[in-house]
Amino acid sequence: AQTVTQSQPEMSVQEAETVTLSCTYDTSESDYYLFWYKQPPSRQMILVIRQEAYKQQNATENRFSVNFQKAAKSFSLKISDSQLGDAAMYFCASGSRLTFGEGTQLTVNP
Amino acid sequence: GAVVSQHPSRVICKSGTSVKIECRSLDFQATTMFWYRQFPKQSLMLMATSNEGSKATYEQGVEKDKFLINHASLTLSTLTVTSAHPEDSSFYICSARPARPETQYFGPGTRLLVL
Repeated sequence: AQTVTQSQPEMSVQEAETVTLSCTYDTSESDYYLFWYKQPPSRQMILVIRQEAYKQQNATENRFSVNFQKAAKSFSLKISDSQLGDAAMYFCASGSRLTFGEGTQLTVNP
Repeated sequence: GAVVSQHPSRVICKSGTSVKIECRSLDFQATTMFWYRQFPKQSLMLMATSNEGSKATYEQGVEKDKFLINHASLTLSTLTVTSAHPEDSSFYICSARPARPETQYFGPGTRLLVL
């Protein structure tokens, strides 16, 4: 069984600042992927970033980067230079069938 | 790329009727499609996984006779909510996954309201 835990139900950040969202997971799979998705008020799920577990290098996508600690089963998301459009619910997910965490609601203050 | 459409976006129906929701991958072939349900302010709950040409695999607690899934082609999956009741009202989201990369791309969701 897989579990994904997001311990921060809500987070806020000032525009242009940096924020880190936490995620821990547990899996029995030896080769797996980890994902961060965002869900804005439209409720469309949007892929933010993907990490392949066998790669040691942390994934980056423009202002978004992850800190992947495989031994600790930790997969945090860092958003740099936060923008108003980053405000959304962020879900961490793992596995081929996607087990989701409970989500972190991010507010960006102008 | 990797666009998934879902239709309808919103549907209101009477109790006892059936509702069909379509999910299409527009610019890639989806070897696997998934159906999720999401309640307000909650996470996504996987209902079933389907592969083209084979029977869907349902998660524990999901009634396969109520939620019929057909994966007719590599670009189309349908979810039919049969004999819908008010407790079936929810937000239903589909996703599609190509062979590579192993990533799910989501449709915009369907809001179902059963009166």
